[in-house]
Amino acid sequence: EDQVTQSPEALRLQEGESSSLNCSYTVSGLRGLFWYRQDPGKGPEFLFTLYSAGEEKEKERLKATLTKKESFLHITAPKPEDSATYLCAVQKGAQKLVFGQGTRLTINP
Amino acid sequence: NAGVMQNPRHLVRRRGQEARLRCSPMKGHSHVYWYRQLPEEGLKFMVYLQKENIIDESGMPKERFSAEFPKEGPSILRIQQVVRGDSAAYFCASSPEGGNTEAFFGQGTRLTVV
Repeated sequence: EDQVTQSPEALRLQEGESSSLNCSYTVSGLRGLFWYRQDPGKGPEFLFTLYSAGEEKEKERLKATLTKKESFLHITAPKPEDSATYLCAVQKGAQKLVFGQGTRLTINP
Repeated sequence: NAGVMQNPRHLVRRRGQEARLRCSPMKGHSHVYWYRQLPEEGLKFMVYLQKENIIDESGMPKERFSAEFPKEGPSILRIQQVVRGDSAAYFCASSPEGGNTEAFFGQGTRLTVV
């Protein structure tokens, strides 16, 4: 069965304290791995798509990497405005996304 | 992602009533997806539509739920005879084409069944 597991469920960091979020997946026919950010009461906001093992993408303080079994979202020197839930999803089939439960990130000033 | 418009943002229905959720995709997008987010759960795929066609409805409950994306107008997710368990946030996403293209999400409709 296709599965996407994110860890940890919740993470509290001090401003400036770098860390990584993990997304491990078991899915047949992976067509892409997506990272989204979701703020409370809002819809998911697209961050990155990764298509093949070894691929990396960066945006401001975020960097996403992909291996054959997992993806990491590295956050460097985070700020309070980076607080959000980060969602990982794998694309299966034509367009269906299978989401993980998310990691709730809190950055304390 | 402000381009994907969903309305209403909040909807309250009594048990047994019908709920209609609307989604206008981003300009130029012809593919629409509906996802449901139950409290404390992740987003779950419901249905994928193109104009006038349902492509994949494997995530949609067989009874009481239906979706359409007519040639003109928004996509509609319809829930008949709502029950308390239907209370959730319903998100619509759109993309310009199928395949490896990121989908942009709307702000969601929060349905509460009382």
